[in-house]
Amino acid sequence: DTAVSQTPKYLVTQMGNDKSIKCEQNLGHDTMYWYKQDSKKFLKIMFSYNNKELIINETVPNRFSPKSPDKAHLNLHINSLELGDSAVYFCASSQPAWGAVSEKLFFGSGTQLSVL
Amino acid sequence: QKEVEQNSGPLSVPEGAIASLNCTYSDRGSQSFFWYRQYSGKSPELIMFIYSNGDKEDGRFTAQLNKASQYVSLLIRDSQPSDSATYLCAVVSGSARQLTFGSGTQLTVLP
Repeated sequence: DTAVSQTPKYLVTQMGNDKSIKCEQNLGHDTMYWYKQDSKKFLKIMFSYNNKELIINETVPNRFSPKSPDKAHLNLHINSLELGDSAVYFCASSQPAWGAVSEKLFFGSGTQLSVL
Repeated sequence: QKEVEQNSGPLSVPEGAIASLNCTYSDRGSQSFFWYRQYSGKSPELIMFIYSNGDKEDGRFTAQLNKASQYVSLLIRDSQPSDSATYLCAVVSGSARQLTFGSGTQLTVLP
């Protein structure tokens, strides 16, 4: 059973389209994340949700909108796609311990987004 | 100034040698430090973490932390071709205590 699964694995689309990436974790974790990895391998956090509540919202264009229907799911919707959105998007989850930050992120396999 | 900096490489070492990967960070208040390994086309996976100054060993891997100098390093002893990957340094810092990644060092172990 895959711990953190995201779909689709590949997404090729035209500029201006709207697309969604779905993520589900079966680890029982409270916290989920979206990260963007550019072509130079730089991994940057976009959003973090704890038990369906948004806790981190980095400087990301408001064309990106996360949605967490429950703590096991965190989807990412992107409106009006641009060339610069091409990257690999990783979903991740973790289980923060009381009084500490959980550093061990469990990543999904990634979604390679190509905007043409 | 980048918050977490790594030499992007590529770093090449012969099989059996020691590979040394370095990372510096800007937030002096950073508390926790991590090394993730990412194979090409795969997702990152945690291989080491360290909280205190000094060395921490786990099998062939040793993490070293020097908070005064604000650097953390990863040593891989007896390097194997299967260690060829990108190694991402990550640091917990800031009021939000979020994990910030460096851009990674690409390591190639030559057979």
